[in-house]
This record gives sequence, structure tokens and C-alpha cells, in this order.
Amino acid sequence: AQKITQTQPGMFVQEKEAVTLDCTYDTSDPSYGLFWYKQPSSGEMIFLIYQGSYDQQNATEGRYSLNFQKARKSANLVISASQLGDSAMYFCAMREMNRDDKIIFGKGTRLHILP
Amino acid sequence: EAQVTQNPRYLITVTGKKLTVTCSQNMNHEYMSWYRQDPGLGLRQIYYSMNVEVTDKGDVPEGYKVSRKEKRNFPLILESPSPNQTSLYFCASSLLGGVNEQFFGPGTRLTVL
Repeated sequence: AQKITQTQPGMFVQEKEAVTLDCTYDTSDPSYGLFWYKQPSSGEMIFLIYQGSYDQQNATEGRYSLNFQKARKSANLVISASQLGDSAMYFCAMREMNRDDKIIFGKGTRLHILP
Repeated sequence: EAQVTQNPRYLITVTGKKLTVTCSQNMNHEYMSWYRQDPGLGLRQIYYSMNVEVTDKGDVPEGYKVSRKEKRNFPLILESPSPNQTSLYFCASSLLGGVNEQFFGPGTRLTVL
């Protein structure tokens, strides 16, 4: 069965440091997409970055990059030079392309950036 | 402006009183979905729809109904709400296919007394 695991319920990081949020997944579908979303305290869900299972290169979007290790089934989010505004809940999600297009989310990691 | 709208944003109701949460998107997306978010459990998919008149169960469909009569609308219906359905609900839409990110509505906070 498809599954997403985020093992860090909470993290505290000093401002300007880089931070890695862990995400591992399990699927039998060879074609899938992995997504990261940010949920600030205001509650909205904000799309950050996407990685396709066949992508050869790790995705990057500004200060966000995705450390994709397919053999290990991991898709960690890396935030470089963290800022106070990065304090939020972060969710990893997976969408399988060859099945019935169900989407599953991890339980999330709450990130606190310290000044 | 491209967006997903949900109404109401906040709702307090009593056990057994039928309610509907509306969801509408203006991006011509085929795929629409409902999630509930509970502390420590992340987002769990309730129902989703890949097109008009096509709906499928997600991971937690019990106690909920949906319909997709028009492409833009995907209402969530609680026929007989119970306190364990107190939660934050999100509607989302996207194009079909695994490469496409979802666009989320602002959320509906539901309390069932």
C-alpha cells in the first residue's frame, strides 16, 4: 500500500542555517510524483516543489531543493538559509500516475526558525 | 484570479443536522478532492473526483458524501454529522496526472457538538 512517512514531528533551527525535512515513501507504481507543501499558521496550503519519479535531476525552486534518492525511496526537502517566515508546518505528498490518482500526505513536520 | 473557494469558512453545528460544504474552482481542473486535517494525522483524503459524475473514495470516506454534477463544483455532504467529524476540511483541485500540484481552498473549520 502507498505510504508517506515524515519522521520529524517538530524541528527547531537557527535562522540562516540550512534545514532538511525528511520524507520517505512506499509505492509499487513506477510512475509517481512527490510534492512538498507549506502550511503557515494562517492555515493555507502553499505548493513548494515537485519531483517526478523519472526526473534525473533533483528539483530546485529558489531556496527549496528536493534531495531525491529513488533507491532509498526518500524525498527530503532542503531549505537553504532559513528565514523566520519559514516557520510553518510542512507536508510531503505522493501522487501515483498509473493507478487511480489517489493522493496521500505525510503527517507533517512543524518547523520553528529561531532568531 | 485563479482560485478554489470554500463555504462556509467556519461552521458550528449539532450532531445529526445535515450540512453541506461547498467547493468551487475556476481553473477548469478535472481533478477535485476533499481532505480533512487533524492534529498529528496530517491530511487524509476523503473523496476525490477525476471528472464530472466520477467520484472515488479516499482513505476516510465513512460519514461523507460528495457529488460532481458540474466540473467546477464539488460539494461535501455530511448527512448526519457526529463529533468525530470535527476537523479542518480542505478542498483542492488540479489537472489530472501525477505531475500536477493541487491548488487548495482556504479551509473550513467544522465543529460538531
